[in-house]
Amino acid sequence: DSGVTQTPKHLITATGQRVTLRCSPRSGDLSVYWYQQSLDQGLQFLIQYYNGEERAKGNILERFSAQQFPDLHSELNLSSLELGDSALYFCASSVMSTGRNEQFFGPGTRLTVL
Amino acid sequence: EDQVTQSPEALRLQEGESSSLNCSYTVSGLRGLFWYRQDPGKGPEFLFTLYSAGEEKEKERLKATLTKKESFLHITAPKPEDSATYLCAVQAEGSARQLTFGSGTQLTVLP
Repeated sequence: DSGVTQTPKHLITATGQRVTLRCSPRSGDLSVYWYQQSLDQGLQFLIQYYNGEERAKGNILERFSAQQFPDLHSELNLSSLELGDSALYFCASSVMSTGRNEQFFGPGTRLTVL
Repeated sequence: EDQVTQSPEALRLQEGESSSLNCSYTVSGLRGLFWYRQDPGKGPEFLFTLYSAGEEKEKERLKATLTKKESFLHITAPKPEDSATYLCAVQAEGSARQLTFGSGTQLTVLP
């Protein structure tokens, strides 16, 4: 158990809908990262937050957005869903300090868009 | 653009048959190279971080090494429970700390 929690474990929804994925980082970690894993693309970085502020963006679609709240939990919002958005979505957290760069991953949310 | 290439894509070993997985990388400035293990449908599990060429780290039957262009994950006398996908990732210098992952090596250890 990495200490990172994600809810829900599974989401099944229809095209055009909007969903919210939630992540709670490990105790003491200030940075949260979101990754998408699909069969054909592997693990792709989406977005990073550090202590409530957006720090970096990767291959994140405009239909997707995220935020980190004062209690450090984060939410990833996916809207106008398409079949191709079906994937595993992982959250990771890290301390993000000198000499400690390890990211610890949550169990993921499996999104199925029908 | 940072790139990570892992080989082979898949590897089948007999129990006790040692082997190595390769991770080749290009990055503007390497902050760290990471190895993760991932079981089907689960989140990646952190194994090792390597920071500089020549560094080695060990954990049970696994040993990771790093050169300026690649990293190896050596598996000594593997057991069936070592079957998993092994992922390599690089973290570049800079304020952000996101990881760029390779596509992984799917290891199957047969009893």
